[in-house]
Amino acid sequence: NFMLTQPRSVSESPGKTVTISCTGSSGSIASNYVQWYQQRPGRAPVNVIYDDNQRPSGVPDRFSGSIDRSSNSASLTISGLKTEDEADYYCQSHDINYRGVFGGGTKLTVL
Amino acid sequence: EVQLVQSGAEVKKPGESLKISCKGSGYSFTSYWIGWVRQMPGKGLEWMGIIYPGDSDTRYSPSFQGQVTISAERSTSTAYLQWNSLKASDTAMYYCARSSYSRSRFDSWGQGTLVTVSS
Repeated sequence: NFMLTQPRSVSESPGKTVTISCTGSSGSIASNYVQWYQQRPGRAPVNVIYDDNQRPSGVPDRFSGSIDRSSNSASLTISGLKTEDEADYYCQSHDINYRGVFGGGTKLTVL
Repeated sequence: EVQLVQSGAEVKKPGESLKISCKGSGYSFTSYWIGWVRQMPGKGLEWMGIIYPGDSDTRYSPSFQGQVTISAERSTSTAYLQWNSLKASDTAMYYCARSSYSRSRFDSWGQGTLVTVSS
């Protein structure tokens, strides 16, 4: 089964830049688009990056996404960190049968 | 404004059946996919399955195939997630979410329905 692996947690100081990785278990992560979601405690997830590197309206340009084919991974980068960015972040893509898969989630602490 | 409004929290006993709902408004319900996502207490998101209300095309994650049934009613713009026999391990928050096509992002989410299964 296709899986996406994320680090369990990352932490960084306000104003700095953090990158969260999402590595595909097999095949090419570039075969299907990668989406990223932010989930704050007690809230429904919110899409922050779609189709690898597109930003929905209303999402600050401090959020960016990319794909690295050499490492079969996607990345979410947040620059100019703010305390409000503290949340869980999930990557999502699809397997070869077009069924969705989420990564395990990364807890971002801004300290 | 696109809205997905889910039914309220449920408390059930093991072995009971349950059907929770997700009502869409503010868009053409039959032109978008509706997916269901599970989040067990303190855990991550799990993609369960997705349905296209326009023709009822449905896809399930292998982990949930045979365990739940996803359906949709075009006349009321409502999608459903159904269990025939609940287990304690079904205790979780369940979200519905909208997608432009089956492999696209979820661009709008319901508020979640908390299902608690306990004897």
